[in-house]
Amino acid sequence: KAGVTQTPRYLIKTRGQQVTLSCSPISGHRSVSWYQQTPGQGLQFLFEYFSETQRNKGNFPGRFSGRQFSNSRSEMNVSTLELGDSALYLCASSKDRGGGYTFGSGTRLTVV
Amino acid sequence: AQSVTQLGSHVSVSEGALVLLRCNYSSSVPPYLFWYVQYPNQGLQLLLKYTSAATLVKGINGFEAEFKKSETSFHLTKPSAHMSDAAEYFCAVSDLVGTASKLTFGTGTRLQVTL
Repeated sequence: KAGVTQTPRYLIKTRGQQVTLSCSPISGHRSVSWYQQTPGQGLQFLFEYFSETQRNKGNFPGRFSGRQFSNSRSEMNVSTLELGDSALYLCASSKDRGGGYTFGSGTRLTVV
Repeated sequence: AQSVTQLGSHVSVSEGALVLLRCNYSSSVPPYLFWYVQYPNQGLQLLLKYTSAATLVKGINGFEAEFKKSETSFHLTKPSAHMSDAAEYFCAVSDLVGTASKLTFGTGTRLQVTL
């Protein structure tokens, strides 16, 4: 079966711009989570969506937002990009709480 | 809040030698624990998970981990390392808050396998 699909794989943006990343979960998975991975901070939780509702949110500024559609696909948006937003953004989907999370290959965002 | 500590940011073993990657957790409730592996320029792949069933958990690629409540540990082992095991390994605990959930990761251990 198809895995978690993230698009695009690579992105280069300029400071001040905004960006939208997309994630298609495994069919049947209704929970979608987003994580930011950087060399300095490691893997940090951004937010989790379930049935189009944000269930949990990490400690990130309001510039980071997300949403989930009725087909469980999710997008995250970062506005007013800063150099420190350069990271690998990972999406994970799960069938239920506490279960195994399946990760996508990530979107590598570079802010210049 | 739950947390995970991975001892040793870099571990080097010879091919064929035992692999032991250490993970200790802190949790106020019975935890769900996971080990993930990440290859360069890839996402995270689930190796195994503990969800309060058997304390010895077998995963993919010959890896296994043992949940020890008294030691709050969940160390990852493999009897014989292979060159293809070289990667970064992350231990994680699932933080279940009401109906929500999230993973809290350790800082990772980079495994090097030498000939």
